[in-house]
Amino acid sequence: GAGVSQSPSNKVTEKGKDVELRCDPISGHTALYWYRQSLGQGLEFLIYFQGNSAPDKSGLPSDRFSAERTGGSVSTLTIQRTQQEDSAVYLCASSLATGDYGYTFGSGTRLTVV
Amino acid sequence: AQSVTQPDIHITVSEGASLELRCNYSYGATPYLFWYVQSPGQGLQLLLKYFSGDTLVQGIKGFEAEFKRSQSSFNLRKPSVHWSDAAEYFCAVGGETGGFKTIFGAGTRLFVKA
Repeated sequence: GAGVSQSPSNKVTEKGKDVELRCDPISGHTALYWYRQSLGQGLEFLIYFQGNSAPDKSGLPSDRFSAERTGGSVSTLTIQRTQQEDSAVYLCASSLATGDYGYTFGSGTRLTVV
Repeated sequence: AQSVTQPDIHITVSEGASLELRCNYSYGATPYLFWYVQSPGQGLQLLLKYFSGDTLVQGIKGFEAEFKRSQSSFNLRKPSVHWSDAAEYFCAVGGETGGFKTIFGAGTRLFVKA
């Protein structure tokens, strides 16, 4: 597509429920990144996929967080047993290769855990 | 480990005045440096990037940034600010040493007064 598409744009969930956030990168972009932006905070790196290489999961805050990327395209970020501190905007970005071109960001998914 | 510091949480400038947003980075090798802008309710947009070569880089919307290796800085400048420049600005660093994932600063919020 023309840009990075994220869905849903907003998600309200009850504490303890699982959620799935979707990211559809720009066609042809081999690198895909997930970041989290909490209110008034900068961007926190979560996970990075590059082609068929093993993802860099070093930023995932706990084992409740996981992500996959199917067929080198669409990615899903899953948060299990959500907690209130998971409330944030989850941003996805993609780039042509290894990040040296700068990222194109999606509009994000605003997650609210009540 | 790579890191980015944006010393100013917020800055207020008058419309038409010049602007400089500060950014200091820590990186073990030659960094890739970026500035992004996030307007209210919008996604992040890449303003400019530095990889190598001329240390003064030009970006979109009349912005420029200068890479100073000796000071580990990459400050963003604009000669004359417009009211539409009010937004949050993020400096970021990445590169091969970090596996090409990009680390973002906490951001500087720019307010423009008439």
